[in-house]
Amino acid sequence: QKEVEQNSGPLSVPEGAIASLNCTYSDRGSQSFFWYRQYSGKSPELIMFIYSNGDKEDGRFTAQLNKASQYVSLLIRDSQPSDSATYLCAPEVGVGGGADGLTFGKGTHLIIQP
Amino acid sequence: DAGVTQSPTHLIKTRGQQVTLRCSPISGHKSVSWYQQVLGQGPQFIFQYYEKEERGRGNFPDRFSARQFPNYSSELNVNALLLGDSALYLCASRGTGGLRNQFFGPGTRLTVL
Repeated sequence: QKEVEQNSGPLSVPEGAIASLNCTYSDRGSQSFFWYRQYSGKSPELIMFIYSNGDKEDGRFTAQLNKASQYVSLLIRDSQPSDSATYLCAPEVGVGGGADGLTFGKGTHLIIQP
Repeated sequence: DAGVTQSPTHLIKTRGQQVTLRCSPISGHKSVSWYQQVLGQGPQFIFQYYEKEERGRGNFPDRFSARQFPNYSSELNVNALLLGDSALYLCASRGTGGLRNQFFGPGTRLTVL
C-alpha cells in the first residue's frame, strides 16, 4: 500500500510568519510531487509541483524535495489569513495500465492567526 | 473558457440505490479522472479515462464503474450504495503536460442515508 503521511494539525501560525508543512511518502518510484490547497467545502487547487531534489520557489511558496529521505515540504512565507486552508501532499504514482494518478495524504489544516 | 463542470452539486440517496454522476472536462482536455474524498481524508483515486478508454483503476469495488463519451465527458456510476459511499466525488480534467495540467471540478456531494 502506497502511503503518504502528513501531520493533520491544526497548525497555527501568526500572520506574517513562515508556515512549514511536511510530508513523507512510501513509494520510492514516485518522481513528481504536488501540493494542493483546499478551502473548506471547495475542490483541491494545485499550488506547486516539484520533480527534482532541492528547492523550487514560486512567489511566497517554496517546495523542497529530498528523494533519498522520501520527504517533501512546503514553505509559505509572509503567511496571510487567506492561506488558511488544508494543504494536501500528493506524489504521482502509477495506477496500472500505463496511467498515472495521485495518492493524497490526509492533509494539514493550516490556520493563520491575524 | 469554462472550467470543469460536474452535476449534480448535491445528491441524497438511500442504501441500495444506484447513482450516476456527470463531468464535463475543460475544452481540449481528453483525460478525465475520478476521485472520492471522504470527510477528513484526502482524495482517493478511482478511475482514469483517456480517449474513451479506461487507463487506470484504483482500489475500489466493482460497484463503481465509469465511462467516457466521444465528447470526452464522463459518468461515474455507483451501484448498491453503502453508507460509506457518502463523500465528495471529484472529477479531474487533464490536458497535455501531465498531472501539472490537471484541474479539479467543484465536486458532487453524495449523501447516503
